[in-house]
Formats: sequence, structure tokens, C-alpha cells
Amino acid sequence: GAGVSQTPSNKVTEKGKYVELRCDPISGHTALYWYRQSLGQGPEFLIYFQGTGAADDSGLPNDRFFAVRPEGSVSTLKIQRTERGDSAVYLCASRAGGRFAEAFFGQGTRLTVV
Amino acid sequence: SQQGEEDPQALSIQEGENATMNCSYKTSINNLQWYRQNSGRGLVHLILIRSNEREKHSGRLRVTLDTSKKSSSLLITASRAADTASYFCATDGGAAGNKLTFGGGTRVLVKP
Repeated sequence: GAGVSQTPSNKVTEKGKYVELRCDPISGHTALYWYRQSLGQGPEFLIYFQGTGAADDSGLPNDRFFAVRPEGSVSTLKIQRTERGDSAVYLCASRAGGRFAEAFFGQGTRLTVV
Repeated sequence: SQQGEEDPQALSIQEGENATMNCSYKTSINNLQWYRQNSGRGLVHLILIRSNEREKHSGRLRVTLDTSKKSSSLLITASRAADTASYFCATDGGAAGNKLTFGGGTRVLVKP
């Protein structure tokens, strides 16, 4: 694809609901990252996939957050029982293999929990 | 937790002036990258400097890396109003593994 695509671009949900955020990486990119960014802050690492497996999920804040990448391409970030504190922009990035590859970011999904 | 920390947090300059921002980090790295973000959405990669490099240039951008001090700087020369954005450093590899870890960013305002 032309770039990293994230859908939806905006999501408003009620507290306690379940949400899914989707990321379509650049075709052929093996690494995929999820970040969360609050206003005025830097991107906070959540999880990193290498292929289909989660290579590092140390940034997931609690067990309400889960992410999958079943075929090594599209990834879905799932948030259960959403809380108002989950409101943020969720960013996805993909990279080709190699230690010195740049990351390409999508435009993010702005999640608002009301 | 954030590996890199940028300084200053905010910078306001006149068009044509140079803008310098610094990044400090804590653990060993394979490389350090700088990104730019407009309007709080997607980040755009600017430049990557490897741990065995000391300086790198790309157009009006100059990046330095001092691994002994665990610090990097980004210089934007002859700034333009269009350079107004937030700039983030991200460390990669080393003790933190292959995840990109971002700092809090420097918000740059270039006044015309």
C-alpha cells in the first residue's frame, strides 16, 4: 500500500464498551508497532510485532489491552471495558526488516471515551 | 517509560534563525532517530544516525550523536514557518530491544 492506514480516524465510545482499532501496514513490512499518545506528550510504546508474534508487549498498560496480527500484516488493537483514561491518539507504525530501517506512521485513531 | 528526553520542551524563534534541540537517553542504543509531528497526528521520519556515527546531515538538518554522553542534538538551519511542529527523538535497539522509544518532544514555533 501507499502508506500505513489506520481506521477509524476517530472513535467515540462510552465508558465500559469494547473497541477495536485497525492498522494496515505498508505491504512487506515485517515489524509493526502500536503507540498511545496523550496531548502534549510523546508516543508511549504499547506493543511490537515481528511477523505474527508479539516480540515485546511490555508497554500494554493492563489486561484490558490486547493486540493481534494473525497473518503478519493487518493488526488490531483491542480495548475491553474502556475507561476515560484510555482517551488518546493511538498510533501504528510499520518498518521493513533490518536494524536501521525507518518507521512509517499512520495518521492515528483518536479515541474518546465518554 | 521514556528512553529519550528532549530539551527544551518548547522553542520559539524567528524565521531564518537556527533551532537547536537536544535529546538525552539512558541505555545503550543501535541508532537514534528524529521524527517530526504536525497537529498531533502521524509522525514523519527525518533522519537516522547510527551508534557508530557522530554527525549526519540532511538538507537543512544536522544531527549529532555523542554515545559517551548518551545525547543527541538536532539543528534546523535557516528555519521557515513551515518548520513549526513537534520534534521527537527515538532510540532504537541496544538494551531496550528493537522497539522505538520516544521522548517527550520539543515544540518548535517559527514566527514569520
